[in-house]
Amino acid sequence: GQSLEQPSEVTAVEGAIVQINCTYQTSGFYGLSWYQQHDGGAPTFLSYNALDGLEETGRFSSFLSRSDSYGYLLLQELQMKDSASYFCAVPGSARQLTFGSGTQLTVLP
Amino acid sequence: NAGVTQTPKFRVLKTGQSMTLLCAQDMNHEYMYWYRQDPGMGLRLIHYSVGEGTTAKGEVPDGYNVSRLKKQNFLLGLESAAPSQTSVYFCASSDGTSGGRETQYFGPGTRLLVL
Repeated sequence: GQSLEQPSEVTAVEGAIVQINCTYQTSGFYGLSWYQQHDGGAPTFLSYNALDGLEETGRFSSFLSRSDSYGYLLLQELQMKDSASYFCAVPGSARQLTFGSGTQLTVLP
Repeated sequence: NAGVTQTPKFRVLKTGQSMTLLCAQDMNHEYMYWYRQDPGMGLRLIHYSVGEGTTAKGEVPDGYNVSRLKKQNFLLGLESAAPSQTSVYFCASSDGTSGGRETQYFGPGTRLLVL
């Protein structure tokens, strides 16, 4: 089976940097994805790491360490609109996703 | 280009009733998925399809059936609804390529309440 652990809540102020961690246990590993979900909305894709290292996309970066079964999502220059739930997920052999339980990020003014 | 659409957006059922949720995508994607999301939890995979005419069970398939008769449509059926099936249901699709850099595109969700 597959399982992922991430913190349930994170709070930060506007303009700050926040890191959301994810540890995983999988029977086969293809990569680590991150999705964002605003209240009442659909999940939207943020990033995907298949190899060790840092991937940067604008204010968001994602890191993976396969040897540690660990990754994180880094959000810089936080904005109020970044308040949302963030999910790490691992794809299976048919690209089906197993999600973590999500981290609720609250950005304070 | 509508992406992934779901019908209906909201539904109330009584225990024992049946219904079908429809998912449609216009991106010519091969792979389609049904997830459910309960409060405080991540999405859990119900069933998925890797192509027209194929379906497979996910993590929580009990009480649900699916069909993929056309490439663009993926139907989720509840034969006899139970209160435990109260949830938000999301459909997603992906093209199955990109060398593993997969992006799944999600529909807006169907909110189902079973009384």
